[in-house]
Amino acid sequence: DQQVKQNSPSLSVQEGRISILNCDYTNSMFDYFLWYKKYPAEGPTFLISISSIKDKNEDGRFTVFLNKSAKHLSLHIVPSQPGDSAVYFCAASERGGTSYGKLTFGQGTILTVHP
Amino acid sequence: DAGVIQSPRHEVTEMGQEVTLRCKPISGHNSLFWYRQTMMRGLELLIYFNNNVPIDDSGMPEDRFSAKMPNASFSTLKIQPSEPRDSAVYFCASSRGRGNTEAFFGQGTRLTVV
Repeated sequence: DQQVKQNSPSLSVQEGRISILNCDYTNSMFDYFLWYKKYPAEGPTFLISISSIKDKNEDGRFTVFLNKSAKHLSLHIVPSQPGDSAVYFCAASERGGTSYGKLTFGQGTILTVHP
Repeated sequence: DAGVIQSPRHEVTEMGQEVTLRCKPISGHNSLFWYRQTMMRGLELLIYFNNNVPIDDSGMPEDRFSAKMPNASFSTLKIQPSEPRDSAVYFCASSRGRGNTEAFFGQGTRLTVV
């Protein structure tokens, strides 16, 4: 049972344009969402996060949008740069309860930004 | 801080052999996670600990897999006996735990079972 889903295995974008990566979740107990970026032969690194009490969080070129009613979030990268080419993972967690920081990840989306 | 340290970076072993992966979490982090990366399932949580106690091992695929955390600075993931379908990249991550869920990952161990 995949509680976090990234339905697009890959995305190709021209440099300077917008990249939009999507993520859906099924567990209504999730209240905190994160995006991680992963380069080959490296571990995932934290990129940006959003709490369920917000619908938008922005950090430089990266913006995450959350639609709780649709159980959907997206990551926007504007403008896209070749160095953004990586695998992007969406993750979700329950901050309270007994999860102790457990993160549930999606399958990942391979982003390729062409010069 | 050196971050989460995993060893070895690469492991090639023959089917049936025992494999031990090692992890040193970030000092002061209370939660430690073992993930496996596959094409089909992405980052799959195998097991996690809080304050050295296993909290949830429901992701461990079979009894061939076991994990320990004898102290706050060390954890192992063991596969015995190993099978070719265990070939994957295994990541260890740590975080401060409840209320703070940003996890920091090690560089991973690429396991190949032939």
